[in-house]
Amino acid sequence: GQQLNQSPQSMFIQEGEDVSMNCTSSSIFNTWLWYKQDPGEGPVLLIALYKAGELTSNGRLTAQFGITRKDSFLNISASIPSDVGIYFCSGFGNEKLTFGTGTRLTIIP
Amino acid sequence: DADVTQTPRNRITKTGKRIMLECSQTKGHDRMYWYRQDPGLGLRLIYYSFDVKDINKGEISDGYSVSRQAQAKFSLSLESAIPNQTALYFCATSDLYGRDKGTDTQYFGPGTRLTVL
Repeated sequence: GQQLNQSPQSMFIQEGEDVSMNCTSSSIFNTWLWYKQDPGEGPVLLIALYKAGELTSNGRLTAQFGITRKDSFLNISASIPSDVGIYFCSGFGNEKLTFGTGTRLTIIP
Repeated sequence: DADVTQTPRNRITKTGKRIMLECSQTKGHDRMYWYRQDPGLGLRLIYYSFDVKDINKGEISDGYSVSRQAQAKFSLSLESAIPNQTALYFCATSDLYGRDKGTDTQYFGPGTRLTVL
């Protein structure tokens, strides 16, 4: 199946720092979606990207759909404690979503 | 109330037992999905359905079966559970032709934690 390489696998940052994570694929996707998962919960959609080159913001979150349609990044500015969790990228193609393996974000007090 | 609900939320069972996980949605979406989540492997698609009675295999369908008898309900069955099916299971829905701009933005349930001993 299609594979998404998501990096980094984990991040340890201090509150207030900015965060950046990305996903790359060997295949072209029509849509990129970024989800966040809190412990014991299902993934929640953060940002959806529908066009190559699109840059979209949702509060402190900014995501971009790469020009080649094979990559996307997510930035979080001025991190706060509730940003802790696992972030998943996903790409939509061939009528299916493919998920990355996740980036676990931990905020150090 | 939650738009996508899953029952049970937790289940412990023994090898060889038949297990059914239920998913219900009030979003009115046509498409429903079952995923499995294992540590370090992300989410993997088991089965998906685009409409009532429509069933499609995903990436890891072996050992599982599904039923979509109504638009709002999609059930996942393990006919004879085995320990390596211990995982978190998520149901999701999407509306390809709705206001989500004609693409597959999926909304997830809270998950079912299944342990097979």
